[in-house]
Amino acid sequence: EAEVAQSPRYKITEKSQAVAFWCDPISGHATLYWYRQILGQGPELLVQFQDESVVDDSQLPKDRFSAERLKGVDSTLKIQPAELGDSAMYLCASRGGLNTGELFFGEGSRLTVL
Amino acid sequence: SQQGEEDPQALSIQEGENATMNCSYKTSINNLQWYRQNSGRGLVHLILIRSNEREKHSGRLRVTLDTSKKSSSLLITASRAADTASYFCATVAREGSNYKLTFGKGTLLTVNP
Repeated sequence: EAEVAQSPRYKITEKSQAVAFWCDPISGHATLYWYRQILGQGPELLVQFQDESVVDDSQLPKDRFSAERLKGVDSTLKIQPAELGDSAMYLCASRGGLNTGELFFGEGSRLTVL
Repeated sequence: SQQGEEDPQALSIQEGENATMNCSYKTSINNLQWYRQNSGRGLVHLILIRSNEREKHSGRLRVTLDTSKKSSSLLITASRAADTASYFCATVAREGSNYKLTFGKGTLLTVNP
């Protein structure tokens, strides 16, 4: 069964360091999302791509966060510099077909900033 | 920002009992979806109900939608210990030319064996 791949699963870093997360969506899925989920809360959208174009990055803290999907397939989310408050689960999801349909999530990348 | 608000925040029941979770939202929607998340894992889609539908079933799941009250409920019948997880509602609403999916804060369900 096709899956959304994410890496790393866990990342521990010190504040002010740079960190990057990678996501490979289900093959053929044009829409890709990055969500941040703080423990005990629901996922919050950081950025949405349609192919290689950003559709929504209104909640992305652009002073320290960046995201790219250069060839419209896999994607990278970067944080530089990391802050203590960035400790969270970073979830990638993809969607095919209807733009109102279900999302398929990866297992997430758990970030701990010390 | 989060559109959906689940109620209760936490629910503890015995195996075999039914579990009901509610979701309220604020704006007009295209559809509402429910997801499940086991601890430390990604989210898994459970069911989608469109704005013109009132009730939908999938196995032991029953979802209702009341657009006049802007609310939905998820019923899990004959619960099992394996149903222990967090459950999130997510609303899909139009924003300009895009459809945005927004999650609520979730309900933590514990099913005791």
